[in-house]
Amino acid sequence: KQEVTQIPAALSVPEGENLVLNCSFTDSAIYNLQWFRQDPGKGLTSLLLIQSSQREQTSGRLNASLDKSSGRSTLYIAASQPGDSATYLCAVSPFRTPLVFGKGTRLSVIA
Amino acid sequence: DAGVTQSPTHLIKTRGQQVTLRCSPKSGHDTVSWYQQALGQGPQFIFQYYEEEERQRGNFPDRFSGHQFPNYSSELNVNALLLGDSALYLCASSFYLVRDTQYFGPGTRLTVL
Repeated sequence: KQEVTQIPAALSVPEGENLVLNCSFTDSAIYNLQWFRQDPGKGLTSLLLIQSSQREQTSGRLNASLDKSSGRSTLYIAASQPGDSATYLCAVSPFRTPLVFGKGTRLSVIA
Repeated sequence: DAGVTQSPTHLIKTRGQQVTLRCSPKSGHDTVSWYQQALGQGPQFIFQYYEEEERQRGNFPDRFSGHQFPNYSSELNVNALLLGDSALYLCASSFYLVRDTQYFGPGTRLTVL
């Protein structure tokens, strides 16, 4: 059974810092991995999708890496801003089967 | 291009009642998946619909049922509500035959009193 773990559960950083969020998964047989952002009480916004054949994806200040063999992914956020404050969720997906989510990392960026 | 929409936004019910939540997928998508997200947890998969049939189901009791219509929209029904059913219910749409991202709606917040 696939399990996804996210560390840390919560993180507080001053504005401008670079930071890394971690995600690990137990079964390396995945087709892709996604990082989502969730604001309090809201739905999920997809940030980055990494296919199993890829090593990383970048979007603006965000960079996500994938090491399928070790079951790990990281989300790197450069020059953090207060607007980045949210919960970040990692999810893995075998083809056509449902996403398996971690519990998320709650990020607070202090101005 | 409209994204995934869900209705209602919020809902308050009492124990034992029944509720219906609705979802319209992103334009062109043919698959709808439903997730339940309890406070402080990641979303948990309930079931997935494609071609008006339930294709996969997570570890949820039969009180949770669904339907997909010919226009690909979907409903989630929950009978005999329990306090523990209080959660954010998320709908996601995608293409069944394509390994692509799932697009999520804003969710319906269900509170059971």
